[in-house]
Amino acid sequence: QKEVEQNSGPLSVPEGAIASLNCTYSDRGSQSFFWYRQYSGKSPELIMSIYSNGDKEDGRFTAQLNKASQYVSLLIRDSQPSDSATYLCAVNYNNDMRFGAGTRLTVKP
Amino acid sequence: KAGVTQTPRYLIKTRGQQVTLSCSPISGHRSVSWYQQTPGQGLQFLFEYFSETQRNKGNFPGRFSGRQFSNSRSEMNVSTLELGDSALYLCASSRSGTDTGELFFGEGSRLTVL
Repeated sequence: QKEVEQNSGPLSVPEGAIASLNCTYSDRGSQSFFWYRQYSGKSPELIMSIYSNGDKEDGRFTAQLNKASQYVSLLIRDSQPSDSATYLCAVNYNNDMRFGAGTRLTVKP
Repeated sequence: KAGVTQTPRYLIKTRGQQVTLSCSPISGHRSVSWYQQTPGQGLQFLFEYFSETQRNKGNFPGRFSGRQFSNSRSEMNVSTLELGDSALYLCASSRSGTDTGELFFGEGSRLTVL
């Protein structure tokens, strides 16, 4: 059983739309949750971190965490072609960073 | 501010050989963690070093090992290479550790095993 699961996609949205990316995790004791963006041929870069239940907003990005449902999501508002990338969900459990396989997002002009 | 530097960027080895990869973290960062990235398995955690001590280790065989020096630079070694070890190996540095999740990745070392 995979510990961090994401829909692999591809997810395609039109420019200006909201992109919704989802992630579930198996370890109920996990405390830290992150979203990384990885452009093709590049390394991952951190875009959001969330530690407590609820929403956290940063510009066009909103991370949502529901520990009871073991669910993390990322919303990208007003999606731009430059948002086209693979988005990796990461969960930290006892200093063990676990990544999902990633969801490939394509934003069409 | 210099980023995370990994060397070599590309290398080709044959089965049975061993390889050593190097990672220089961002100045002031004491944590270095290593990951293997493949198309099939995604990004998988290998191990984390903090102040020269291994803090955690992922589910990889003992052929994979690492160490960290007093200047925070880290190396990882893979012995008795197998074809399945072909992957992109990424290291990430962090000021205080992977629990903060604020990892800064290097560009990676792409290993091909023939």
